[in-house]
This record gives sequence, structure tokens and C-alpha cells, in this order.
Amino acid sequence: GNSVTQMEGPVTLSEEAFLTINCTYTATGYPSLFWYVQYPGEGLQLLLKATKADDKGSNKGFEATYRKETTSFHLEKGSVQVSDSAVYFCALEKGGTGTYKYIFGTGTRLKVLA
Amino acid sequence: IAGITQAPTSQILAAGRRMTLRCTQDMRHNAMYWYRQDLGLGLRLIHYSNTAGTTGKGEVPDGYSVSRANTDDFPLTLASAVPSQTSVYFCASSPYGTKGSTATNEKLFFGSGTQLSVL
Repeated sequence: GNSVTQMEGPVTLSEEAFLTINCTYTATGYPSLFWYVQYPGEGLQLLLKATKADDKGSNKGFEATYRKETTSFHLEKGSVQVSDSAVYFCALEKGGTGTYKYIFGTGTRLKVLA
Repeated sequence: IAGITQAPTSQILAAGRRMTLRCTQDMRHNAMYWYRQDLGLGLRLIHYSNTAGTTGKGEVPDGYSVSRANTDDFPLTLASAVPSQTSVYFCASSPYGTKGSTATNEKLFFGSGTQLSVL
């Protein structure tokens, strides 16, 4: 079946450090891939997405590239800020026959220290 | 402000009691979802609805039921709560299939969640 695997957290970084959060997926066909972010006390928000191989999603300095050959969608940011502290979820969507379901990873907590 | 409203924000419930979590959206989205969020397990889909009048089971449907009488409302009912249902519950919607929507991978819009504790 479809699944998403993310690196376990928490990840603790100093401000301005480089961030990578790994995400790999298992799916038949060509799913769409997403990164969602959850700030404390809030629901999830879409951070970025990619719909086909080699697409790069980007938003707020975060980037992720859809790599079909390695079935990966790693999240990166060149210089993190304290305000980036949150939980990050990788997800895929593999619709079919009118059923649209998202599969989420377990989430990775990021803590950025000033 | 358009979006998804969940109620209550939090609830403490005795085991065996019946509880309905409410979810309302004003975006006229066709698809709606209920997830539970547990530490180390991420978000797991409980039930979903692709359009008013239809529902489907997700990964962890046991002990939960839903209804979709209209486009806007998607309540989740725990008929007889058990402690293992202690969790944070998120309702979400997506414009999949909505008239005028042409994208094939619309994002999910989430509510702010309901923290439920079953004792």
C-alpha cells in the first residue's frame, strides 16, 4: 500500500543553520507530494507541494524536489529561523476512482534555538 | 474569515459516554476528512467524505461514525468512548471535485483541532 516515512525527530538547530528533513514514499503510479507544517496549537498548513517527477516545490525559503528514482521528497532550508520551530509532515496523495486520500508521515519536530 | 470551524476545542469525557465532534466549513468544498493525531503515529485518517451524502472508511474507523447530510457539516461521533480514543482530532476539507476546480491535487484545509481526553 501507499506509505510515507520521515526521519524521526526532534531536530534541534541553531538559528541560520541548514535544515534537511528526509522523506521517502511508497506508492504505485505517480502520487502528488506535499509538506505540511503545524505550528504550536494550530492545525496543519500546506507549506509546499510537487505534482510530478523533478518538480521543485518552494515556499518561505523551504524547498523540496520530487525524486522518482529515489522515491524521495526531502525538505531543505538554507538558513532556519526561530519562527520555523514547528512540526513538519510529509504527505502523498494518490487519488483514483473518485477517492482522494492523503497519507501522512509521522511528523518531525523542529526546534530552532536563538 | 472563511475556513473550518471545529467544536469543542477540548473535552474531557468519561469512558462509555457518547460524544460528537463538530466540523463546519464555509468554503463549499466537496471533500471532508477526519484525522486523529497521536505522538509517534502522525495523522491517521478515520473517515472521509468525497461529497455530501457519501462517506468512506479510512485507516482507523473502528469506534467512530460520521454523516454528511450537507456540504458544510461533517460531524464525528464516538458512540461509546474508550481511553484509546484520547487524541487530538482534526477535521479537514479539500475542493476536490468542486465545480470550477481544475487542479488534480488540491491541498487540504485544516481546522484547529479538538483535544479529547477519555478517562
